[in-house]
Amino acid sequence: KAGVTQTPRYLIKTRGQQVTLSCSPISGHRSVSWYQQTPGQGLQFLFEYFSETQRNKGNFPGRFSGRQFSNSRSEMNVSTLELGDSALYLCASRPAVAGRTGELFFGEGSRLTVL
Amino acid sequence: GDSVTQMEGPVTLSEEAFLTINCTYTATGYPSLFWYVQYPGEGLQLLLKATKADDKGSNKGFEATYRKETTSFHLEKGSVQVSDSAVYFCALSDTANQAGTALIFGKGTTLSVSS
Repeated sequence: KAGVTQTPRYLIKTRGQQVTLSCSPISGHRSVSWYQQTPGQGLQFLFEYFSETQRNKGNFPGRFSGRQFSNSRSEMNVSTLELGDSALYLCASRPAVAGRTGELFFGEGSRLTVL
Repeated sequence: GDSVTQMEGPVTLSEEAFLTINCTYTATGYPSLFWYVQYPGEGLQLLLKATKADDKGSNKGFEATYRKETTSFHLEKGSVQVSDSAVYFCALSDTANQAGTALIFGKGTTLSVSS
């Protein structure tokens, strides 16, 4: 069974640009979550999508947005990039019935550098 | 809100040494608790979990017990190997979050094991 796939793995942008990251969950998983990982703040929850609807949202500004498609693939977008947005963005999926006790399956991440 | 505090390390041990990584939490409800591990260049993987007080999670020789009275979930292993070198994250399910599926992570503890 293929794991969670994230693209691109690495990218470099400049301040003010926007970026879109893609995530393909494990087949059959309908929940997709996004996390930001930085050396200073650690891992922080961005949002979660389930059946094309945003179910939860973390404490990030509106420049961070996401969506989920009918095939459960998800994208996240960051507009008007700032230097502080440089981070590893991790996508994770879980089965629909996992709930709060279920395991998250993480991808290898997309490393964004903002210059 | 809910939070997780873990020793940040780095922790440096010789092969076959005993490992303890401390983790304490603050939560308003009754969270599930997790330990995730991140090997170099990879995404996070679930190591073990416990879903209620006094539960013990175990996997690959690692153990952790959900202690409600001390709000702790310390990770232990009796004899570490070089292959255990990685970053370890303690996490809880966010009880303030309606669906309870977001995770709150500690800052991570880097473990380095030498032969």
